[in-house]
Amino acid sequence: DSGVTQTPKHLITATGQRVTLRCSPRSGDLSVYWYQQSLDQGLQFLIQYYNGEERAKGNILERFSAQQFPDLHSELNLSSLELGDSALYFCASSATGPVITGELFFGEGSRLTVL
Amino acid sequence: AQSVTQLGSHVSVSEGALVLLRCNYSSSVPPYLFWYVQYPNQGLQLLLKYTTGATLVKGINGFEAEFKKSETSFHLTKPSAHMSDAAEYFCAAPNFGNEKLTFGTGTRLTIIP
Repeated sequence: DSGVTQTPKHLITATGQRVTLRCSPRSGDLSVYWYQQSLDQGLQFLIQYYNGEERAKGNILERFSAQQFPDLHSELNLSSLELGDSALYFCASSATGPVITGELFFGEGSRLTVL
Repeated sequence: AQSVTQLGSHVSVSEGALVLLRCNYSSSVPPYLFWYVQYPNQGLQLLLKYTTGATLVKGINGFEAEFKKSETSFHLTKPSAHMSDAAEYFCAAPNFGNEKLTFGTGTRLTIIP
């Protein structure tokens, strides 16, 4: 158990819909990272938050947004969903953020299926 | 930009045989390099981490990796494969701002009984 909690574990929805994925980092970790894992794209970095502020952005679509709340949990919002958004979405946290000098602790992921 | 390349998307070895998974980094020596493992239906977990100055890095579950600057490589090895090693393995390096990890495409390791 990494200590990072992601909900929901599985989500099935239709094209055009909007979903919210939630992540609770390990206790005390201020940095949260979101990654997308798909068969064709591999593991793609989406975005990093550190203590409530966006610190780094990767290949995140404009239809996607994220935020980190004062209690440090984070949410990834995916809207106008397309079939190609079907993927496993991982959240990770780090004690050494915002710069990476040590381990990222990953949650078990949220599997999104868009039909 | 820093990137890592993993050669071989699938590797199969017999139980008890040597495991060798290849990773090359793209440019200047990164301050850190990582190997992560992903077991089926699980998140990624750290196997080992390289920091500047090290050459041979030991990790969990009997894995180790050798940093070779002359070859820009950071290959992962294990002397004797076990059935429980079947998983996907990812090499990763931070970008130059050290604010994100870039992962390789992964190598799926299959262990043949």
